[in-house]
Amino acid sequence: GAVVSQHPSWVICKSGTSVKIECRSLDFQATTMFWYRQFPKQSLMLMATSNEGSKATYEQGVEKDKFLINHASLTLSTLTVTSAHPEDSSFYICSARDLAQETQYFGPGTRLLVL
Amino acid sequence: AQSVTQPDIHITVSEGASLELRCNYSYGATPYLFWYVQSPGQGLQLLLKYFSGDTLVQGIKGFEAEFKRSQSSFNLRKPSVHWSDAAEYFCAVGARSGNTPLVFGKGTRLSVIA
Repeated sequence: GAVVSQHPSWVICKSGTSVKIECRSLDFQATTMFWYRQFPKQSLMLMATSNEGSKATYEQGVEKDKFLINHASLTLSTLTVTSAHPEDSSFYICSARDLAQETQYFGPGTRLLVL
Repeated sequence: AQSVTQPDIHITVSEGASLELRCNYSYGATPYLFWYVQSPGQGLQLLLKYFSGDTLVQGIKGFEAEFKRSQSSFNLRKPSVHWSDAAEYFCAVGARSGNTPLVFGKGTRLSVIA
């Protein structure tokens, strides 16, 4: 199957700082990527849909000014958590849609801990 | 409304026993159906998918799933479970095209005992 990478795999930061998470599709082009958040022992919560070359579409309740998404190329989307607070600590997972296979493939996730 | 129901939050099976994880969906259009597996602290790995054709699909790691349109179900099965199968399993439904994200069930946690 197709491969999606995320970097970093885990990050610890101080409250008030910003953190950028990268999501790359390694062997296919992805016009659409998705960002999810997952709390312990829960399912994935869709945060936003990222479209290459256009603005992301955010789900209800997700602050677009806090979670900045950029999808500047067909293989890279970034999620920046701005002015992070402890309640932003979570597991963030990206997904890229392989059009040819009509399938979403997932990255390994990024664990964020805000102190 | 589009939804996926996984009725079993947690299932425990003995190693070597058979396994069936249930999934029911509600979807307005022709559904594309998926099963993903997530090990602790990891992302989701695609086990198998159904788009059309043969309603019994084979996946990786010895898993299979059967699509039953009349029951709106897509249950996952494995004839003999291994200890390494212990993980969280997610059923998902989506559309064929466009940028519509998948709709996920809440997941079923599988524990395997000796």
